[in-house]
Amino acid sequence: EPEVTQTPSHQVTQMGQEVILRCVPISNHLYFYWYRQILGQKVEFLVSFYNNEISEKSEIFDDQFSVERPDGSNFTLKIRSTKLEDSAMYFCASRTGTHEQYFGPGTRLTVT
Amino acid sequence: KNQVEQSPQSLIILEGKNCTLQCNYTVSPFSNLRWYKQDTGRGPVSLTIMTFSENTKSNGRYTATLDADTKQSSLHITASQLSDSASYICVVSFNYGGSQGNLIFGKGTKLSVKP
Repeated sequence: EPEVTQTPSHQVTQMGQEVILRCVPISNHLYFYWYRQILGQKVEFLVSFYNNEISEKSEIFDDQFSVERPDGSNFTLKIRSTKLEDSAMYFCASRTGTHEQYFGPGTRLTVT
Repeated sequence: KNQVEQSPQSLIILEGKNCTLQCNYTVSPFSNLRWYKQDTGRGPVSLTIMTFSENTKSNGRYTATLDADTKQSSLHITASQLSDSASYICVVSFNYGGSQGNLIFGKGTKLSVKP
């Protein structure tokens, strides 16, 4: 069964460094999403992406964040200058034209 | 403000027993309501999706109900198994500017099934 994959599973970085989190959505999906979940808290929407552009973003998704679909398969989230409070699980999700979003296994980002 | 509230926060039950988890929401305009299962350190996995016109949906031992008038939903788990131990998250999708909209997540109910 097709699934969303994410790499790396765990990323440790120092404060101020740039990180890129990678996702490979399901191949025929058209809509792509990033969410984050701070430890012990609920999942929060960051950004949605469709037709090679951001369709919606939350207040969390400030200028430090960017997304890109550099080729036909990858979908990346970049954090330019990480802060301690960026430490969280980051989930990628994708869907076709239907409602169902399929989530990846997540990348645990630890900022020290 | 669009919100999803779940209760209880956590629940411990014995293997084989049934349980019901609750979800109240204030999301408008409403598109659909989903229940997800999230194992520790993993991504959410969809159990059910219900639109406005559906008031019950089953997926194996999981049965979700939706009352769109009172804006309440429940997830009933029958004959629980140890593998049911996870967080169960209620998620509501709203229509935004005519698009599919995005998801509002509840904090989840952490279910522990003990032998």
